[in-house]
Amino acid sequence: SSELTQDPAVSVALGQTVRITCQGDSLRSYYASWYQQKPGQAPVLVIYGKNNRPSGIPDRFSGSSSGNTASLTITGAQAEDEADYYCNSRDSSGNQVFGGGTKLTVL
Amino acid sequence: QVQLVQSGSELKKPGASVKVSCKASGYTFTSYAMNWVRQAPGQGLEWMGWINTNTGNPTYAQGFTGRFVFSLDTSVSTAYLQISSLKAEDTAVYYCAREGRYFDLWGRGTLVTVSS
Repeated sequence: SSELTQDPAVSVALGQTVRITCQGDSLRSYYASWYQQKPGQAPVLVIYGKNNRPSGIPDRFSGSSSGNTASLTITGAQAEDEADYYCNSRDSSGNQVFGGGTKLTVL
Repeated sequence: QVQLVQSGSELKKPGASVKVSCKASGYTFTSYAMNWVRQAPGQGLEWMGWINTNTGNPTYAQGFTGRFVFSLDTSVSTAYLQISSLKAEDTAVYYCAREGRYFDLWGRGTLVTVSS
């Protein structure tokens, strides 16, 4: 079982704002990174560190953290943002761990 | 072009072995660790472990010890994942992922299907 907990599914109306959360005790010590995965494709890094976007990731993606919860926010969700989103951080032993993933539906 | 190119899909019988390759290009291979991630059909991402590309020292996640081996050939900037004594539950897509502090570069994945 994952030490990072995500809601299995979230939906958002086109153009609205959605927050995807990730909970875990290790998030008090480590930043989360976030990955977007579309069907049949490899994951893509969208947020890392405190709130950093790799080159090419739209600025509607942002990250934040408070206590044991990390959040990925999409401000003005687009149809192309429909995907699975995974958080990643370290577990209590310092090993990498992924959350269970959140399926985002854009209505 | 910075990329990780993985080997093609494999169909194996239970009990066989498979070796998946991940060839890096466009960057200094030994400057980044290489991780392996499994994704079973319809399931989430599962971290398998990583290999230090400088020393060749592997670290395996719980559940991936014994039958799983990470290796390197730095002369061709390639990482390998070998799985022995394959079982039906090993059917999955296996990704290699470059790690600086984050998984910023991924291969396209290799589908390994284990079926009699």
